[in-house]
Amino acid sequence: EDQVTQSPEALRLQEGESSSLNCSYTVSGLRGLFWYRQDPGKGPEFLFTLYSAGEEKEKERLKATLTKKESFLHITAPKPEDSATYLCAVQAPGQAGTALIFGKGTTLSVSS
Amino acid sequence: ETGVTQTPRHLVMGMTNKKSLKCEQHLGHNAMYWYKQSAKKPLELMFVYSLEERVENNSVPSRFSPECPNSSHLFLHLHTLQPEDSALYLCASSQDYFSSTDTQYFGPGTRLTVL
Repeated sequence: EDQVTQSPEALRLQEGESSSLNCSYTVSGLRGLFWYRQDPGKGPEFLFTLYSAGEEKEKERLKATLTKKESFLHITAPKPEDSATYLCAVQAPGQAGTALIFGKGTTLSVSS
Repeated sequence: ETGVTQTPRHLVMGMTNKKSLKCEQHLGHNAMYWYKQSAKKPLELMFVYSLEERVENNSVPSRFSPECPNSSHLFLHLHTLQPEDSALYLCASSQDYFSSTDTQYFGPGTRLTVL
């Protein structure tokens, strides 16, 4: 069964303290891996799509990387406004069309 | 209005009520989705419409009834819900459901509470 596991479940950082979030997946023949950010009471906001192992994408303090088994979301020198839940989702063969399998998310809290 | 909008943002209903959730996308997309998000659980895909035709129905109880009158609008009709149906209901859209490189964009959600 295709699965997506995110860790840690929650992460508390001080402002400026860099860290990484992990998304491991057990799908065969990955078609795409997506990162979203979700603020409380709001819908997920698209961040990145990664398609092949070795691919990297950056946006401000965020950098996403992909291997054959997992993806990391690196947060460099985070600020309080980076506090949110970060969701990972994969698109795999056998999933009709663009259907996604989501992880439970990592809730990040950054304090000043 | 831009992106994906949802109304109402909050809804409280009794178990015998009938209500509807509305979603509208202003992106010119051809596919629209309903997801359910419960606490401590991953997003669950409920329904998918592509060019106004339903292409997926993930074993959702019949008390949830979707409707897609055109490619810009999506409704979720609710009747005789249960308290465990309380959740955040999210609508999303994408350019082309059958494209392997497509990205889904989400609305702000409707927080539903069933008493």
